Amino acid sequence: SQTIHQWPATLVQPVGSPLSLECTVEGTSNPNLYWYRQAAGRGLQLLFYSVGIGQISSEVPQNLSASRPQDRQFILSSKKLLLSDSGFYLCAWATGNFNEKLFFGSGTQLSVL
Amino acid sequence: GENVEQHPSTLSVQEGDSAVIKCTYSDSASNYFPWYKQELGKGPQLIIDIRSNVGEKKDQRIAVTLNKTAKHFSLHITETQPEDSAVYFCAASNRYGANSKLTFGKGITLSVRP
Repeated sequence: SQTIHQWPATLVQPVGSPLSLECTVEGTSNPNLYWYRQAAGRGLQLLFYSVGIGQISSEVPQNLSASRPQDRQFILSSKKLLLSDSGFYLCAWATGNFNEKLFFGSGTQLSVL
Repeated sequence: GENVEQHPSTLSVQEGDSAVIKCTYSDSASNYFPWYKQELGKGPQLIIDIRSNVGEKKDQRIAVTLNKTAKHFSLHITETQPEDSAVYFCAASNRYGANSKLTFGKGITLSVRP
């Protein structure tokens, strides 16, 4: 069966520090991978998605970047965090012809202080 | 692009009662409508979905109905239990669109009072 791992679960970082969140998927190959951000009281905002190794699409201009060095690995990064980067970050994967069903990781609660 | 709206933002029901959560969408080309449940501190989980070629789908205590003409769809939970308390997100996509992606509503917090 497929599983998705996301870590760390919580992270407190000072403003201006770098960020690296990692997500890996097991039990499937060539998945579409996604990074979402969920701010308090707001919906799910798609940040990046990837259809293959090295292929990254950005949905919104921001202080973050994403990379996909391996088929089932997706990394969210920042060189210098801003206060506004605080939020709940979710990795997700989808597969199949139409990539309909999204399966989410357990999320990372990031607090930038 | 697609715009999905959920109203109200919170809903409180008595245990055992039914809960209905409604969503509207804007893009008539959307043809796939999933519902996700998110418990506190966890990622959302898909609980039920419907495609535009059917008007209703049921899975035990939950059901989803779709009105394509009015462009709205609803989640129905019968015999609510405290463990149904969570945030529920609706979403929509055009499964035949290039690189189709889900557009989510902002979520509704359901509280089931024991």
